[in-house]
Amino acid sequence: SQKIEQNSEALNIQEGKTATLTCNYTNYSPAYLQWYRQDPGRGPVFLLLIRENEKEKRKERLKVTFDTTLKQSLFHITASQPADSATYLCALATGGFKTIFGAGTRLFVKA
Amino acid sequence: EAQVTQNPRYLITVTGKKLTVTCSQNMNHEYMSWYRQDPGLGLRQIYYSMNVEVTDKGDVPEGYKVSRKEKRNFPLILESPSPNQTSLYFCASRSARGYTFGSGTRLTVV
Repeated sequence: SQKIEQNSEALNIQEGKTATLTCNYTNYSPAYLQWYRQDPGRGPVFLLLIRENEKEKRKERLKVTFDTTLKQSLFHITASQPADSATYLCALATGGFKTIFGAGTRLFVKA
Repeated sequence: EAQVTQNPRYLITVTGKKLTVTCSQNMNHEYMSWYRQDPGLGLRQIYYSMNVEVTDKGDVPEGYKVSRKEKRNFPLILESPSPNQTSLYFCASRSARGYTFGSGTRLTVV
């Protein structure tokens, strides 16, 4: 069956360090992959989109990689800040009308 | 401001009492969708709509209905709510860039 896995354990890091979150998937051939940020009780907010033919995408302190051979995406936040503390969701779109979301990884950045 | 507006934010209702959660977007997006979010399960798609009068089931459509009579509006209808529909609901519209989500509706069915 199709599955998206994100680390269910929270990630705790010190301010200023790089946070790296992982998204693994099976039995998909995604056209593109997205990352979202979600704060408690709020709707997810779109951060980055990376297509299947792209290896890496950057936006300010954010970097996303996409390895279709490993079926994995890595999401990096450099120079992390306490304000980056949130849950981060990855989502796969197969090119049709459905997008499948992972359950998310909670990130805590300590000052 | 580009946004998706859903109402109400919070709703407590009793089993079997029909309810509607409204959703409206001002971005002229063709694609809209409803998700529910439960702890540990992530966002699960209930229904989606590719355009006016075109809707289709997502992964968990049982117990829900939708309609798309206008491009901007996509209401979610629970004809006979049950306690297992207690959840956090999100409406979203989609562009080529990604989804824009509403602020959510926390529904409790007692």
